[in-house]
Amino acid sequence: SQQGEEDPQALSIQEGENATMNCSYKTSINNLQWYRQNSGRGLVHLILIRSNEREKHSGRLRVTLDTSKKSSSLLITASRAADTASYFCATVGLYGNKLVFGAGTILRVKS
Amino acid sequence: DTEVTQTPKHLVMGMTNKKSLKCEQHMGHRAMYWYKQKAKKPPELMFVYSYEKLSINESVPSRFSPECPNSSLLNLHLHALQPEDSALYLCASSQDRGLSGGRVSYNEQFFGPGTRLTVL
Repeated sequence: SQQGEEDPQALSIQEGENATMNCSYKTSINNLQWYRQNSGRGLVHLILIRSNEREKHSGRLRVTLDTSKKSSSLLITASRAADTASYFCATVGLYGNKLVFGAGTILRVKS
Repeated sequence: DTEVTQTPKHLVMGMTNKKSLKCEQHMGHRAMYWYKQKAKKPPELMFVYSYEKLSINESVPSRFSPECPNSSLLNLHLHALQPEDSALYLCASSQDRGLSGGRVSYNEQFFGPGTRLTVL
């Protein structure tokens, strides 16, 4: 069962631009994670943000979390063609028994 | 070694066949997972193993049978599958944070490249 909804479903930008993806979820969480998936391959973990954190950075990635609105955003700055992939948010509930994925955003970066 | 390996990469089978998918990790992770992913959809959890014991079965049909022979290996045995079972099957592992109350993992999961399964 899906926990989150992601917005937009698809995003197409030029190389060098910033890309912002949003994720909303329904139940209280322990943490929220973002993953990237290149076409037809396994997922790669990008960043984990805990429920008591509001913002986290990793290289060109910036993630925010607003637990009052049950939402998160992933910002990729200075995008590259290699960033073309599907991006999923995934939540771990308060009792931490499993990861539940959102629907995903397909990002295309044109060179 | 931070890699999860899966074999085979591709598998085509008939509805009467029996086959197995294999997954291996050497990161010392004690939680391992099977996911099913249909095209343009997010991964859906099937099974979770914690310390080689099945801790979560997401109401998966019995034609899928998981097995965890040791802490590094995870198998998924397939029998009498249907064409709608065609999908990408992903294995993942993570550091286990404890067994109390059925909690398995708060941490990041490491995914294998997947097995692309086609059922004819």
